[in-house]
Amino acid sequence: KNEVEQSPQNLTAQEGEFITINCSYSVGISALHWLQQHPGGGIVSLFMLSSGKKKHGRLIATINIQEKHSSLHITASHPRDSAVYICAVRGSNYQLIWGAGTKLIIKP
Amino acid sequence: DTAVSQTPKYLVTQMGNDKSIKCEQNLGHDTMYWYKQDSKKFLKIMFSYNNKELIINETVPNRFSPKSPDKAHLNLHINSLELGDSAVYFCASSQDAGQGTGELFFGEGSRLTVL
Repeated sequence: KNEVEQSPQNLTAQEGEFITINCSYSVGISALHWLQQHPGGGIVSLFMLSSGKKKHGRLIATINIQEKHSSLHITASHPRDSAVYICAVRGSNYQLIWGAGTKLIIKP
Repeated sequence: DTAVSQTPKYLVTQMGNDKSIKCEQNLGHDTMYWYKQDSKKFLKIMFSYNNKELIINETVPNRFSPKSPDKAHLNLHINSLELGDSAVYFCASSQDAGQGTGELFFGEGSRLTVL
């Protein structure tokens, strides 16, 4: 079992739908990252969380430290949100443990 | 004005050659990383430097040698390239101040193809 599990692995939805991607981890962490990788390959950091909730535009990220779980939500999804979303946690010093990613496709 | 820039973006070379990928960040960050993204899209850390000092050195062949001339640069040199080295290599930086909690900023990636 991986230390960081993401679900679902693949998600296809219609434009406008509310999207939720989940990340569960089994190690103690100092921070959790959500990243986005577009089909072109570039990786962009969306959020870094150590507690609570953060919002940026249509994206919302939450983390529950006790349950070792984080979610990434996208409201009013759009085809340009199509990408791979990656959860990564900071374990011991400087080490990042990566999830396998969730491939999201938003159809117009 | 790119925050983390890598060169070259594409590199096609023959087996046995030696090549380098350069990375520069203009964010003033103290920590830089090299990641390898394999065909299954997993990102694996290779090296990390904090203020020019090596702090993470994962199990990679010693044909890979990182060099950090200053904290804004982390270059990756690969000797005797093999087919299995074909991948996309990502440079990243963060401001960790020793806490391991800085947000990551990635370069655009360098796609290496070994023929």
